[in-house]
Amino acid sequence: DTAVSQTPKYLVTQMGNDKSIKCEQNLGHDTMYWYKQDSKKFLKIMFSYNNKELIINETVPNRFSPKSPDKAHLNLHINSLELGDSAVYFCASSQDWGGSTGYTFGSGTRLTVV
Amino acid sequence: DQQVKQNSPSLSVQEGRISILNCDYTNSMFDYFLWYKKYPAEGPTFLISISSIKDKNEDGRFTVFLNKSAKHLSLHIVPSQPGDSAVYFCAAVNDYKLSFGAGTTVTVRA
Repeated sequence: DTAVSQTPKYLVTQMGNDKSIKCEQNLGHDTMYWYKQDSKKFLKIMFSYNNKELIINETVPNRFSPKSPDKAHLNLHINSLELGDSAVYFCASSQDWGGSTGYTFGSGTRLTVV
Repeated sequence: DQQVKQNSPSLSVQEGRISILNCDYTNSMFDYFLWYKKYPAEGPTFLISISSIKDKNEDGRFTVFLNKSAKHLSLHIVPSQPGDSAVYFCAAVNDYKLSFGAGTTVTVRA
């Protein structure tokens, strides 16, 4: 029973399309995140939600919009996809701010824009 | 602006010996420091953390040391095992934001 599950695992799409990545956690955590791992393998935070409220929104283009229908879900919608959006996107969750217990990550969604 | 830095992209160590991974940071406001392990095609897995008010935390084969004055931390793995071969990320957290280093690829040789 996967703790943090994200779908799809792979996504290949054309430039200009709109796509969504879904994330669900069954750990009862109250904070969820989206991270992007770029071609240089850096993991960078995009968004953070605590109890369905947006608390961190890094300098991400507004084509990216997170949606949290409830505490257990944080979906990522991307409009007008660009080649530079190709990356691996990781969803994660933590209890509170996750300092001592860490974050639990999903297995990633590899997005390829062609 | 990388606030967490891992300057060694790779480390090769013999099975049974000690692996030492290093990490430097610039933000003195970090509350906790964490190490993650990542296998290909999987998400990072939490290994061990240390509070900014401690200087050492140990969990089985893993020990993390924190030197606040030098803004430096290290992860010791003793003894190293083949299953330890992975990418290790140093990370630091404050205000609900986890900042990662670039990672160090560890290869454990038989």
